[in-house]
Amino acid sequence: DAKTTQPPSMDCAEGRAANLPCNHSTISGNEYVYWYRQIHSQGPQYIIHGLKNNETNEMASLIITEDRKSSTLILPHATLRDTAVYYCIVRGTGGFKTIFGAGTRLFVKA
Amino acid sequence: KAGVTQTPRYLIKTRGQQVTLSCSPISGHRSVSWYQQTPGQGLQFLFEYFSETQRNKGNFPGRFSGRQFSNSRSEMNVSTLELGDSALYLCASRQNQETQYFGPGTRLLVL
Repeated sequence: DAKTTQPPSMDCAEGRAANLPCNHSTISGNEYVYWYRQIHSQGPQYIIHGLKNNETNEMASLIITEDRKSSTLILPHATLRDTAVYYCIVRGTGGFKTIFGAGTRLFVKA
Repeated sequence: KAGVTQTPRYLIKTRGQQVTLSCSPISGHRSVSWYQQTPGQGLQFLFEYFSETQRNKGNFPGRFSGRQFSNSRSEMNVSTLELGDSALYLCASRQNQETQYFGPGTRLLVL
């Protein structure tokens, strides 16, 4: 499974969009980009995933660059409850050995 | 659908003891993976089971073992506990090749 690089921390004002970047320059053609978040001491929560097209669900949007070497998770209107560690993971359909990096600690401030 | 459940949620053991943690996957999910999370090492993959067979294994010593039952429920066992085994142990399940969903974890403290 490819490795990912994320900034260690980011701040965002409540009500504003939070844009969390992720680099995955060694991604293979059959590997998906997944995003999870973990609120203190809870299990990681699935947010969204995509292969090459941009994706949107009720929680967030995922923008994947055309060369697929990077992506951005967008929380359109961040709230205090979005404060968490966000993990970007790259995994193929047969890749059961999911490798988590250190993630980005997002602080949403009032 | 009920989510992934893990029992117990909290556990205190002493060095040298052994411990068994349990995970019930989401109904219909046949794949169960286990992870260890510590402040120093982050989230690390332990092993993954599918249809009662271990299909992948992380870099952990043989003291860490697991199994899966015919109803897809899974257990992991840690023998001869060490202080460094104190961690949050997470279980995740998925259906075939789809998205993994995590349970709330079992927090183990080894004294």
